[in-house]
Amino acid sequence: DTAVSQTPKYLVTQMGNDKSIKCEQNLGHDTMYWYKQDSKKFLKIMFSYNNKELIINETVPNRFSPKSPDKAHLNLHINSLELGDSAVYFCASSQVSNTEAFFGQGTRLTVV
Amino acid sequence: GNSVTQMEGPVTLSEEAFLTINCTYTATGYPSLFWYVQYPGEGLQLLLKATKADDKGSNKGFEATYRKETTSFHLEKGSVQVSDSAVYFCALRDAGGTSYGKLTFGQGTILTVHP
Repeated sequence: DTAVSQTPKYLVTQMGNDKSIKCEQNLGHDTMYWYKQDSKKFLKIMFSYNNKELIINETVPNRFSPKSPDKAHLNLHINSLELGDSAVYFCASSQVSNTEAFFGQGTRLTVV
Repeated sequence: GNSVTQMEGPVTLSEEAFLTINCTYTATGYPSLFWYVQYPGEGLQLLLKATKADDKGSNKGFEATYRKETTSFHLEKGSVQVSDSAVYFCALRDAGGTSYGKLTFGQGTILTVHP
C-alpha cells in the first residue's frame, strides 16, 4: 500500500489554465504539506495543514489554493498557470508530535 | 530563520570509494536533523535521522552524527555502490512547537557512482 499518493504523476498544460493535484495519505497522520522542487532540485515548503486547518502558508502567489476536505487528503489547485510554475510538487505527511515526514512520488508540472 | 547548507555537487565517485557529503545548519534551539534521498524519477525517502546532540543516525551503510558544537550533520558511507547514485538532501525540523513539522532543506547534492 502506498503511504502518500499523488495524482497525477505528470501534468502538461498550457499557460492560463487551471489545474489541480490531489494527495492522499493512509498513515493516519494529522499534518500534511505541499513542497515545491524547482529545476535546481531545491525544495521549499508551500503550505501545511494540521487537522484540516491551514497552519503554514509561505510566500506563495494566491493563484495557489490548497484545500483539505479531511485529514487524509490535501489538494492543490492552481489558477492561471504561468511558465514559472513548472516544477515538481511533493505532498508529504507527518504526525506533528513525531519528527519523520513521508513524501509522495511527486507531480511534475510542465506549463507550456 | 533556519537554514541548511550542503556541499556543492555534483559528486562523482568510483564504486567502493568513501563518501562524505557535508551539511551544516543554522537554527535556534535543538532541531531534529535528517538525510533524505531521491532516486531518479522517485520521491523523497528518509535515509536516516538524529533528534538530539551526539545522536548517530544510520541506515543502509550510511551514517551521520549530530554535532551541536559544529552545527553539522555530515553524511558518510564507507563503500558506495552504483545503486547509491541519487540526490541527497540534508534537512532540519525546528524544535519549536509552532513549526508543525516544517522541514528546511539544503540545496541537494547529486551523487553519481561509476562501476
